Amino acid sequence: KAGVTQTPRYLIKTRGQQVTLSCSPISGHRSVSWYQQTPGQGLQFLFEYFSETQRNKGNFPGRFSGRQFSNSRSEMNVSTLELGDSALYLCASSPGVGGTSSYNSPLHFGNGTRLTVT
Amino acid sequence: GDSVTQMEGPVTLSEEAFLTINCTYTATGYPSLFWYVQYPGEGLQLLLKATKADDKGSNKGFEATYRKETTSFHLEKGSVQVSDSAVYFCALSPNRDDKIIFGKGTRLHILP
Repeated sequence: KAGVTQTPRYLIKTRGQQVTLSCSPISGHRSVSWYQQTPGQGLQFLFEYFSETQRNKGNFPGRFSGRQFSNSRSEMNVSTLELGDSALYLCASSPGVGGTSSYNSPLHFGNGTRLTVT
Repeated sequence: GDSVTQMEGPVTLSEEAFLTINCTYTATGYPSLFWYVQYPGEGLQLLLKATKADDKGSNKGFEATYRKETTSFHLEKGSVQVSDSAVYFCALSPNRDDKIIFGKGTRLHILP
């Protein structure tokens, strides 16, 4: 079974631009979560989607948004980029069957997209 | 709110040494507890988990016991290898449909 695939692996953008990151979950997984990883803050939860609906949201500004498609693939978008948005963005999927997403089913992570904002 | 606190790194040990990485948590109710590991250039992967008090999770020689009385889930390994060098994350899931909350991670270096 193919793992979680994130594209692109690396991105360099300029302040003020916007960016879209893509995540393809493991086949059959319906839940996709996004995390921001930085050396100072560790892993911070952005949002989770299940069956095209946002189920949970972290404490990030509205510049961070996401969506999930009917095939469970997900995208996240960051508008008006700031220097502080430089980070590794990780996507994780889980089966999410019957509402017991993270409790009994581990998250399967992709290798991340490294975003650098200059 | 719910949170996870783990020891600051980096932790540097010699091969075959005993490893402990401390993790304590704050949560209402009865969360599930996890350890994830991130090898260089990769995403996180589940190392072990425990879903109720006194449960012991184990995998690849690593162990952690869910201690409700001390709200702890310390990671241990009796004899580390160079290949164990990675970042280790303690995490909790507060209840069935809630997000997983991660600690800040502990970087482990094992010297040959």
